[in-house]
Formats: sequence, structure tokens, C-alpha cells
Amino acid sequence: ILNVEQSPQSLHVQEGDSTNFTCSFPSSNFYALHWYRWETAKSPEALFVMTLNGDEKKKGRISATLNTKEGYSYLYIKGSQPEDSATYLCASPGRGSTLGRLYFGRGTQLTVWP
Amino acid sequence: GAVVSQHPSRVICKSGTSVKIECRSLDFQATTMFWYRQFPKQSLMLMATSNEGSKATYEQGVEKDKFLINHASLTLSTLTVTSAHPEDSSFYICSARVTGQGNSPLHFGNGTRLTVT
Repeated sequence: ILNVEQSPQSLHVQEGDSTNFTCSFPSSNFYALHWYRWETAKSPEALFVMTLNGDEKKKGRISATLNTKEGYSYLYIKGSQPEDSATYLCASPGRGSTLGRLYFGRGTQLTVWP
Repeated sequence: GAVVSQHPSRVICKSGTSVKIECRSLDFQATTMFWYRQFPKQSLMLMATSNEGSKATYEQGVEKDKFLINHASLTLSTLTVTSAHPEDSSFYICSARVTGQGNSPLHFGNGTRLTVT
């Protein structure tokens, strides 16, 4: 079992604010780091899969960075909109694990107020 | 593309009965599917890895005789909660990767809310 931690647990921001949250994972035996967005009553949707130290990925207003040496990843949302309200999950398989056998953090629940 | 369909979305059953949950990959083949469980305010906990044509691999602490998994085709995996008890009430969600796509993300079903009375 891999210990994946996320902080904060919840976050409330005003529309237009930029925000970020953290995912930490064991730096040893690192293989990959996944980010998902999970809106209420929907299925989790993949945002990024990151594998390289220093990697930075972007999808619209959302971006993520990865530091495998210190074991953390940041997810940034620029100019938050109400439709960004969701739970953001990170997960990692750990080296040697069956691809897709992911261990998830508890998630950061983001609420964006209009 | 890469849609996963899970049924039912919600089920209420009596203690002692069995419940079957289906997970289908609609537009891709999945030799491996994953079953997760989530308790309130907890993370998604991996229960088992479902392998097409062979036995499932269960995580430590998950009773294989209680949570029967069958993966009879490249597009269908089922989870049967046998002799359900109120403590089995939880949110169950399946996921799959597109076969042969290396380190690709998981595609999830919508989940099943199980309530055992």
C-alpha cells in the first residue's frame, strides 16, 4: 500500500481567484503520478499523468508540476470558475505495481463561489 | 472515447442477500479492471484487480469469498457482494485502462451506492 496524502482537505475560493493544492507521495519507488477531477454525480475524469521529475503539464487553466525527488506534486487553477468546483484526486501506482493499480489520496474538495 | 459504464448506480438490499455490480468498457478493450471502495470522507481504496480470463488479485484485507469478481470478457467485469451485511454499505466504483496504452490514465464508471438494510 502506498501512502498518498493531499492537502488541504477542502478549499473555498471566490470566482477569479487562483488556487493550488498539494499531493505528496513516497519519493522512493516512484513510477507515475495521476491527477483526476471528480464532479458530483459524475465519474472521476483524468487530468494528467506525470512521470518525469520537473515535469509540468497544462490543460486550459489547470496546470500541474511534479517533484519526484522530494515526493510532491502541485495542482494549480488559474482564475477559478464555479465549474471548477469538484474534488481533485491524486494517485500513484508505485514502482513494480500493475499499471492502473493506483493508490489514491483523500482528495481536495474545491468550491468556487460566484 | 474510453467510456466505462457501471450498473446499477444505486441498490438497496436486505442483509444476507447477494448483489451483483457490472462494469463495462463500452468502446475499448480492457484486460484489466480495478474495483475500488470508498467510505465517507475516505480515499478510494483499491479492493482488487480483475484480470480477463484469470483469477482476480485481491488487496490485503479484502475477502475474496465475500467479494466475488468475474472478468469473463474483454469488456465486462462483475463484482458480487455475497451475503451482504450492513457494514458492506459503501460506494463501489470500477475503472479500466485501455489495453496496450502503457502508463495511461484510468477511466471510471459512475459508481454504485450500496445500502444493506
